[in-house]
Order: sequence, then structure tokens, then C-alpha cells
Amino acid sequence: GEDVEQSLFLSVREGDSSVINCTYTDSSSTYLYWYKQEPGAGLQLLTYIFSNMDMKQDQRLTVLLNKKDKHLSLRIADTQTGDSAIYFCAETPHSGNTPLVFGKGTRLSVIA
Amino acid sequence: DAGITQSPRYKITETGRQVTLMCHQTWSHSYMFWYRQDLGHGLRLIYYSAAADITDKGEVPDGYVVSRSKTENFPLTLESATRSQTSVYFCASAEATGGEQYFGPGTRLTVT
Repeated sequence: GEDVEQSLFLSVREGDSSVINCTYTDSSSTYLYWYKQEPGAGLQLLTYIFSNMDMKQDQRLTVLLNKKDKHLSLRIADTQTGDSAIYFCAETPHSGNTPLVFGKGTRLSVIA
Repeated sequence: DAGITQSPRYKITETGRQVTLMCHQTWSHSYMFWYRQDLGHGLRLIYYSAAADITDKGEVPDGYVVSRSKTENFPLTLESATRSQTSVYFCASAEATGGEQYFGPGTRLTVT
């Protein structure tokens, strides 16, 4: 079945760039998502990329998609303490009516 | 206010008791989902529903029961709570099964 892998922890200094990586298994995924979970809250959609795109930029966020390697990354420029959160990668399975498959999440800690 | 709400936000119960967690959404989304979040396991899908009176098992359905008599509500019942069901529970809704999901704020359940 589908699987989404992420590293569990990332620590960066305030002002540096953060890169959170994700690998997925379903090469037919149509959409890939990044969700952010702040402490004590539910997940919120941060950004997404359609599978026919290589890159998507949205202010400080850049999403890169390498379909050949089934690799997705989220770059946060000028990382701030408010970016400290858990970031989840998720893919839309190709196999018909099945829900999103989420990774376990990467906990980003920003050091002032 | 439009959105997705969960109640209660915090619950402490004893082993063997029945507990129901409520979820309500105002968007008329067809799909609703229940997840549990535990350290080291990320998000795990318990049950989901494609429409009123249609439910499907997710990854970890044992010990849980769901119902969906109305589109906007999707309660999750622990028939006889166990300590292993201590977790944070999230409800989500979506227009399509593989589409963007909107998450509630979560219910923190402790089983003593």
C-alpha cells in the first residue's frame, strides 16, 4: 500500500532556511500536501502541489517535487520562531476512493 | 460560525466506560474522518465516512464505533475504554475522499 516517510525532527536557527523532506510511494498521486500543526491545535493546510508541477512558491514557502525519485520537499525561508510546529506531508492515493495518506510528521524547532 | 468543531476538548474517563466524542461540521462536506495522534505513530485513521449511513474502517478501527445519521455529525464511540486508547483524537472533513481535509481542534482523551 501507499506509504509516506518523513524524518521526525529538524532544528534550525532563526533566520536560516528550513528544508523538510518527504518520500512517497504512489507514483500516480495527483496532489501532494503540506500541513502544519501548531501546539495544541489541529492540522491546517499550508500548501499543496499538483503532480504535474515541479515547483510551487508561496511567499516564504517553496515546494519542490521530484516525481522520478518520489521526493517532496518544503523549504521555509527566513525561518521564524512562529514556524515551530509539526509539518505533515500527505499524498492523494491513486487507488480510487481512499483517504489521504499522511506521513508521521516532522517536528521543526526554531532556535532564537 | 462555519467550520468543524469537536467536543469535549478534554476528557478523563475510567477503563471500561463508554465514551462518545462528537464532531460537527457546517460545510456540508460529504466526507468525514476520525484520526488518533500518538507520539511515534503520527496520525492514524480510525474510521471514515463518505456520506450519511456510509462508513469504512481505517487503519486502527478496533474498539471504536462510528455512526453518521446526518451529514454534519460524525460521533466516535469507545464502547469500553482501555488505557491504550489514551490519545488525541482529531476529526476532519473534506469534499472528496482524496482531497484537502479540514481538521477540528482535537479532543484529548485520558483513560485511567
